[in-house]
Amino acid sequence: TQLLEQSPQFLSIQEGENLTVYCNSSSVFSSLQWYRQEPGEGPVLLVTVVTGGEVKKLKRLTFQFGDARKDSSLHITAAQPGDTGLYLCAGAGGRGADGLTFGKGTHLIIQP
Amino acid sequence: GAGVSQSPSNKVTEKGKDVELRCDPISGHTALYWYRQSLGQGLEFLIYFQGNSAPDKSGLPSDRFSAERTGGSVSTLTIQRTQQEDSAVYLCASSLDRAHEAFFGQGTRLTVV
Repeated sequence: TQLLEQSPQFLSIQEGENLTVYCNSSSVFSSLQWYRQEPGEGPVLLVTVVTGGEVKKLKRLTFQFGDARKDSSLHITAAQPGDTGLYLCAGAGGRGADGLTFGKGTHLIIQP
Repeated sequence: GAGVSQSPSNKVTEKGKDVELRCDPISGHTALYWYRQSLGQGLEFLIYFQGNSAPDKSGLPSDRFSAERTGGSVSTLTIQRTQQEDSAVYLCASSLDRAHEAFFGQGTRLTVV
């Protein structure tokens, strides 16, 4: 069974602070996706990272794929209340696995 | 339709009754996933379809849960003899292929009373 561990599970910080959330696995993935889910909605894709060591930026969000393609991080600079939500990572093409494997997510609350 | 459609959006049922949840994926998407999400929690994987076959059923919590997919399109998740612990939002997602972006429906909120 593929396992993606996300940390921290919950994070509450003040507006304007920086934060990093992590997605780790013992398995190698061909790509890794990050999603954000807002209350009452389904998750929506933010970014896909494919190459080991790849860094992608989406405004104040920076996504990094580990060199070994087993882990990823999401860094948010100057967090805003609109960043509040559940952040999920999902690995594709893991060895022995089929389909996407989702982590349990990081619940992020940005206090104004 | 343009997106993944799930029905009903809300379902309240009595303990012990059977329920059937429906998912209409995006046309042409071969991969389909069912997840369960309790309040304030992450996604709990239930089952994955590639076409009409289910290579991974490992997440189904008990034999009261079953799912099928017909014509490589619509999927139904059936819960027999519902229990209160089955109360959750059931999310369906589809993707073009097994490694592509997953598009989620709005979910079905199931409440067992």
